Amino acid sequence: GAGVSQSPSNKVTEKGKDVELRCDPISGHTALYWYRQSLGQGLEFLIYFQGNSAPDKSGLPSDRFSAERTGGSVSTLTIQRTQQEDSAVYLCASSSNRVLGTEAFFGQGTRLTVV
Amino acid sequence: RKEVEQDPGPFNVPEGATVAFNCTYSNSASQSFFWYRQDCRKEPKLLMSVYSSGNEDGRFTAQLNRASQYISLLIRDSKLSDSATYLCVVNRYSGAGSYQLTFGKGTKLSVIP
Repeated sequence: GAGVSQSPSNKVTEKGKDVELRCDPISGHTALYWYRQSLGQGLEFLIYFQGNSAPDKSGLPSDRFSAERTGGSVSTLTIQRTQQEDSAVYLCASSSNRVLGTEAFFGQGTRLTVV
Repeated sequence: RKEVEQDPGPFNVPEGATVAFNCTYSNSASQSFFWYRQDCRKEPKLLMSVYSSGNEDGRFTAQLNRASQYISLLIRDSKLSDSATYLCVVNRYSGAGSYQLTFGKGTKLSVIP
């Protein structure tokens, strides 16, 4: 596609339910990032995938959060047993990380509201 | 120490003012640097890359000091449309021929009429 695509754009879920957020990166981009941004706050790093290497999961806030990237392309971020503090915009970005100096492109995000 | 640190602001400046943002990074192996801009309720987008010799794009000037591990962004003649959050971004080699970007939390700028 022309850019990074995220779905759904908005998600309202009940506390305790599981949710899956999807990210379609730019074709050919080997690096994929997930970030979380609460209202009025900065980007919070969650996880980073680079090609076939083991992902950097150092930003995942708890074991309720997990992510996978199938076939080096589409990524899914899963939040189990959602809590109200999980409400935020979840942003995905991709880049061609084999080239120094290349930029990352962001999707428009998924706005998650836990009620 | 955080890998990329910025003053969160907010910076409230009048139209026409000059404003400077600073950013420090902790990893001396960092190799490339960027400034991103994020408008309210929008995704971040690349504003400009930062080159070792310093670079200018219209009213925007970016500078890098590798010895001090410090990056700056200067905005001259501020416009209302410059109101946004400015994110400092650092790229470092992460092994296996790959590079990883790290984003700062951002500095919020409000340009006031």
